[in-house]
Amino acid sequence: AQSVTQLGSHVSVSEGALVLLRCNYSSSVPPYLFWYVQYPNQGLQLLLKYTSAATLVKGINGFEAEFKKSETSFHLTKPSAHMSDAAEYFCAVSDDGNTPLVFGKGTRLSVIA
Amino acid sequence: EPEVTQTPSHQVTQMGQEVILRCVPISNHLYFYWYRQILGQKVEFLVSFYNNEISEKSEIFDDQFSVERPDGSNFTLKIRSTKLEDSAMYFCASSEPGDNSPLHFGNGTRLTVT
Repeated sequence: AQSVTQLGSHVSVSEGALVLLRCNYSSSVPPYLFWYVQYPNQGLQLLLKYTSAATLVKGINGFEAEFKKSETSFHLTKPSAHMSDAAEYFCAVSDDGNTPLVFGKGTRLSVIA
Repeated sequence: EPEVTQTPSHQVTQMGQEVILRCVPISNHLYFYWYRQILGQKVEFLVSFYNNEISEKSEIFDDQFSVERPDGSNFTLKIRSTKLEDSAMYFCASSEPGDNSPLHFGNGTRLTVT
């Protein structure tokens, strides 16, 4: 069965600093991987998804993630944090894109001025 | 941009009572889902629904739960006899047909069982 592990329940960065949110997955087949963001009092919004095309995936709001099969990782990065990036970020995996998403526990990103 | 809407945003109920959580998926979507997130824990899959029937459900989705699409627009989750441990944020989602079509989530309903 597939699963994801997000290292760090809370990450704090300074405005303008690099954002790195970690996600490792476990899947018996080539996975479909997703990052979702949840702003306060809102639903989950898709940031980006990996579907076996390019290993480096660009998403909205300047975020990107790189699929590394050798490390079973799909870490989310952004070169320069903005105050508006403060939110909860969830990594998720699906075996074939149609099976239900399995989410990680989430990482809360705080951005300090 | 079309949105998934959920009502109410917050529901408080007493243990043993029935609750119905309502969702209006995006109009051209055909796949519907319920997920829940207990405070401090993972977002967990409950059930998926397609073509007027449940296509998949998790172990959490026992006889206490049911889903319905009573008309062409609403998608509901009913919890028959609520327990304290049902307190959670419940998210509805919908997606278009096709492989790996992304899920679009609503803002959630926070259910508090007292």
